[in-house]
Amino acid sequence: GDSVTQMEGPVTLSEEAFLTINCTYTATGYPSLFWYVQYPGEGLQLLLKATKADDKGSNKGFEATYRKETTSFHLEKGSVQVSDSAVYFCALSVMNSGYSTLTFGKGTMLLVSP
Amino acid sequence: NAGVTQTPKFQVLKTGQSMTLQCAQDMNHNSMYWYRQDPGMGLRLIYYSASEGTTDKGEVPNGYNVSRLNKREFSLRLESAAPSQTSVYFCASSGRGYTEAFFGQGTRLTVV
Repeated sequence: GDSVTQMEGPVTLSEEAFLTINCTYTATGYPSLFWYVQYPGEGLQLLLKATKADDKGSNKGFEATYRKETTSFHLEKGSVQVSDSAVYFCALSVMNSGYSTLTFGKGTMLLVSP
Repeated sequence: NAGVTQTPKFQVLKTGQSMTLQCAQDMNHNSMYWYRQDPGMGLRLIYYSASEGTTDKGEVPNGYNVSRLNKREFSLRLESAAPSQTSVYFCASSGRGYTEAFFGQGTRLTVV
């Protein structure tokens, strides 16, 4: 079955540090890949996505590139801020007859200190 | 811009009690989902409804039932709550042909 593996946290960084959160996947078919972010006490928000190999998703300074050859979708940001502290989820979905279900990794907590 | 609305936001139940979690979306989406979130487990799919009138089991359906009342609403029912069902429950929806889902704010359920 489909699965997503992401690095365990928490990841603790100082403000302006470089961020990488690793994500690898196993999927049948050709998945779309996502990063969702969850701020404390809130639901999940889509951060970025990529729908085919070599696509780069980007949003709010975050980037991730769909690497089919390594089945990876690592999240990066050049300079993190305290406001980036949250839990980040890597996810995949495969379209099936017009609908799809998301398969999530376990989440990585990011803590950024001033 | 309500998006996906879940009620209630918090609930405490005693073991054996029943309750229904409500979810409604105003984005005219075909598909709706119920997930539960537990520490260290990520989000796991309980049930989904690919379109109005259909429902299917996800990864962890035991102890739950669902109803797709109409295109907007998708409810999750716990018939006899157990402490193992203490969790945060998220409803989500997605449009036909789109793979990303939009999430509600969650329902934090505690079963004592």
